[in-house]
Amino acid sequence: NAGVTQTPKFQVLKTGQSMTLQCAQDMNHEYMSWYRQDPGMGLRLIHYSVGAGITDQGEVPNGYNVSRSTTEDFPLRLLSAAPSQTSVYFCASSYNPGELFFGEGSRLTVL
Amino acid sequence: GIQVEQSPPDLILQEGANSTLRCNFSDSVNNLQWFHQNPWGQLINLFYIPSGTKQNGRLSATTVATERYSLLYISSSQTTDSGVYFCAGAGGTYKYIFGTGTRLKVLA
Repeated sequence: NAGVTQTPKFQVLKTGQSMTLQCAQDMNHEYMSWYRQDPGMGLRLIHYSVGAGITDQGEVPNGYNVSRSTTEDFPLRLLSAAPSQTSVYFCASSYNPGELFFGEGSRLTVL
Repeated sequence: GIQVEQSPPDLILQEGANSTLRCNFSDSVNNLQWFHQNPWGQLINLFYIPSGTKQNGRLSATTVATERYSLLYISSSQTTDSGVYFCAGAGGTYKYIFGTGTRLKVLA
C-alpha cells in the first residue's frame, strides 16, 4: 500500500517556466488537497477536491491550477513559475475529509 | 474561514519533562488532527480527534469541541520528540486549515 505518492521530490525551475507536481493516492479517498509550506511557517491550503471533477480554492490559490479527472490523481500546475512559489509542496488525501494522510513533499526552487 | 491558533510557539524541554500544547479554533470544526513534523520534514499523523480523549503511548490528546480547543500532552519527553507540532481543523467546507505550529526542542 503506497499511500500518497508525490513526484518529483525535488525540482528547480527558472522564472516563467511551467511544470506539474504529481500526486497519486491508492486508498480510494474522495478528498485530496495541496498545501505549501514556507520556512518556519505552517501549511497553507492551495486547492482541494472533494471528488472527481470537483475542485475548489483554498487560502492561497493564485498562480496554481488543479484538475481532478480520476479519484486517484490530483496534479498541481504552475503555469508561469515565480520566485515567490519557491516552497515545499505537500499533497494530502482523506475520506471526505476525515483523517488526512500526507505525501512526503516536493521541494521546488524557482530561480 | 476558520482561524487556528497554537501555543506556545516555541518550547524547550529537558528530557523526561512533560508538556501541554494547545490549539484554539475560531469556529466549530468537524475534523481535527494533530501532526508531528520531524526534522526531515515528514508529517506524521498523531491523532485524529474531533472530540473526546485519545492516548497513544506517551502522547495523549483531548478535544473540547463545544469550547473550540484541543490539547496535546507529551509525557516523559525524549529527544526524538523534537520537531514541530501542528494542529489542523476542518468544518463543513472541507477546508483543512493548519495552525502555525509549536516548535519543540528536547535537550538530552
